[in-house]
Amino acid sequence: GESVGLHLPTLSVQEGDNSIINCAYSNSASDYFIWYKQESGKGPQFIIDIRSNMDKRQGQRVTVLLNKTVKHLSLQIAATQPGDSAVYFCAEVGSNYQLIWGAGTKLIIKP
Amino acid sequence: DGGITQSPKYLFRKEGQNVTLSCEQNLNHDAMYWYRQDPGQGLRLIYYSQIVNDFQKGDIAEGYSVSREKKESFPLTVTSAQKNPTAFYLCASSLAGQGGYEQYFGPGTRLTVT
Repeated sequence: GESVGLHLPTLSVQEGDNSIINCAYSNSASDYFIWYKQESGKGPQFIIDIRSNMDKRQGQRVTVLLNKTVKHLSLQIAATQPGDSAVYFCAEVGSNYQLIWGAGTKLIIKP
Repeated sequence: DGGITQSPKYLFRKEGQNVTLSCEQNLNHDAMYWYRQDPGQGLRLIYYSQIVNDFQKGDIAEGYSVSREKKESFPLTVTSAQKNPTAFYLCASSLAGQGGYEQYFGPGTRLTVT
């Protein structure tokens, strides 16, 4: 759902470690999910997507896991780098094909 | 070079004035969207349009207006009725319907009203 009135949760990770960002979605009938990365002062950028007939999808250094039983989505970033510092949003496709945005998580990389 | 452009990047206005934010795309996308983002928060949908000459209210449409006279353009007017207009405004586009859920975003316009 939307993050109206809420401030972003923060995840701090040591450079080189793996990051896991979690997201709970609302509609058990959603069949498509996307992760976006938003750097400070910029628009969100697509990272990776997954359809509901999959439970895992891998990209370059990123993996998305989907658990439909508990309506949970996660984004794993391997060997986190300073350039990974950003806010990460999950989004699910609603019944009218519009994206329903999650609250977002701010990822901070510690040197 | 395809993409979405928003102008200007920074915009300053006095309270009580209407202001129009520009959004243009050359991706040949049917659908376009306007979002508002406040500091440290997520995206909230203001208006969206799935086809030329048609648009729908999002979750926070009050105090805003849009038009969609051309496929490439979806300008947003922030009216004086919007109580807290200072925010970061993001425009996005996508293929319509089941053709494409991924939204492509512009760089944003930061509006400050004093």
